[in-house]
Amino acid sequence: GEDVEQSLFLSVREGDSSVINCTYTDSSSTYLYWYKQEPGAGLQLLTYIFSNMDMKQDQRLTVLLNKKDKHLSLRIADTQTGDSAIYFCAASTDSWGKFQFGAGTQVVVTP
Amino acid sequence: DGGITQSPKYLFRKEGQNVTLSCEQNLNHDAMYWYRQDPGQGLRLIYYSQIVNDFQKGDIAEGYSVSREKKESFPLTVTSAQKNPTAFYLCASSTWGATTDTQYFGPGTRLTVL
Repeated sequence: GEDVEQSLFLSVREGDSSVINCTYTDSSSTYLYWYKQEPGAGLQLLTYIFSNMDMKQDQRLTVLLNKKDKHLSLRIADTQTGDSAIYFCAASTDSWGKFQFGAGTQVVVTP
Repeated sequence: DGGITQSPKYLFRKEGQNVTLSCEQNLNHDAMYWYRQDPGQGLRLIYYSQIVNDFQKGDIAEGYSVSREKKESFPLTVTSAQKNPTAFYLCASSTWGATTDTQYFGPGTRLTVL
């Protein structure tokens, strides 16, 4: 089955860019997602990308997809303290949206 | 406001007791899901339901049970057979057959076994 992996921790200074990386194993993954989880809360969808796209930009967020290497990244420009959270990568191959989640990357923004 | 609600936010259980976690959505979504989250791990799928009166086991269904009698409700029962139930439980919903509609999550229930 699908396996999604992420680095577990990222520390970044306020105002710098953050890059969170994710790899997946199933080449038939059709949709890839980034979610944000703040402490004690549910997951909030940040953005998603179709497998036939290379890049998607949404305000401060840029998603890059390298389908050949099965590598997904999320770049957050001008990182703020409010961006401190756990970020989950997820992949979906089924038509009804059964997702496989990574373990999450804890992002800590320091002043 | 449309969304997903979960209750209670915190739940304490003695060993050997069954407990039921509530999940309600008013998004008119067909599909609903239950996940378990443990520290340092991703979300693991417990059960999912694509339509009323139908549900399937996910990756870690042992020790859990669900029902789907109404479209808007998908309660999860953690039974005494679940050997390590202390975790954060997340409910989600989506429109079935429309992956791009993605999954919307509730705020979660933290279950602690005493």
